[in-house]
Amino acid sequence: GDSVTQKEGLVTLTEGLPVMLNCTYQTIYSNAFLFWYVHYLNESPRLLLKSSTDNKRTEHQGFHATLHKSSSSFHLQKSSAQLSDSALYYCALSDHSGGSNAKLTFGKGTKLSVKS
Amino acid sequence: EAAVTQSPRSKVAVTGGKVTLSCHQTNNHDYMYWYRQDTGHGLRLIHYSYVADSTEKGDIPDGYKASRPSQENFSLILELASLSQTAVYFCASWWDTEVFFGKGTRLTVV
Repeated sequence: GDSVTQKEGLVTLTEGLPVMLNCTYQTIYSNAFLFWYVHYLNESPRLLLKSSTDNKRTEHQGFHATLHKSSSSFHLQKSSAQLSDSALYYCALSDHSGGSNAKLTFGKGTKLSVKS
Repeated sequence: EAAVTQSPRSKVAVTGGKVTLSCHQTNNHDYMYWYRQDTGHGLRLIHYSYVADSTEKGDIPDGYKASRPSQENFSLILELASLSQTAVYFCASWWDTEVFFGKGTRLTVV
């Protein structure tokens, strides 16, 4: 079945440094969608980025990611971390085939902690 | 904006007791999901449904039942709550490749 790997459970950064959260995946579906969700404490997880297009950079709220199907990767990046970026980040995968298979598979999450 | 409402927001249950977590969505989405969140495990899918009166098993269904009596409502049922089911539970609905989450229910089994 589908799987998503986020190797880092915790990333601690100093404010102003670049952010890179790793995400790799496995799926048999060629039209898979990849997502990044952000979960702030005491809030609902919400969509940050999504993509299904190979080698196209997707940006939102200062974050960006590029889906690379050749390496099955969808790493999340930001040029300069802010204190307000501290949250739990999930990478997720969907085959978007609809019907009974329409579901998201999440990685284990990476907690980003930004310090001053 | 999609609205997914969970109740209760927190609950303490006794081991062996029955627990029902409720979820209501107001956007007429076909797909609804129950996820469990645990540190180190992320979000894991328990049950989901893509039509009223039908549910499907997710990745970790053991110890849980689900019920979708209408398009808007999706419940998660723990018939015999156990300590290992202490977690935060999220309901979600799906539309056009995006999943919309509720605020979560913190369940503590004692």
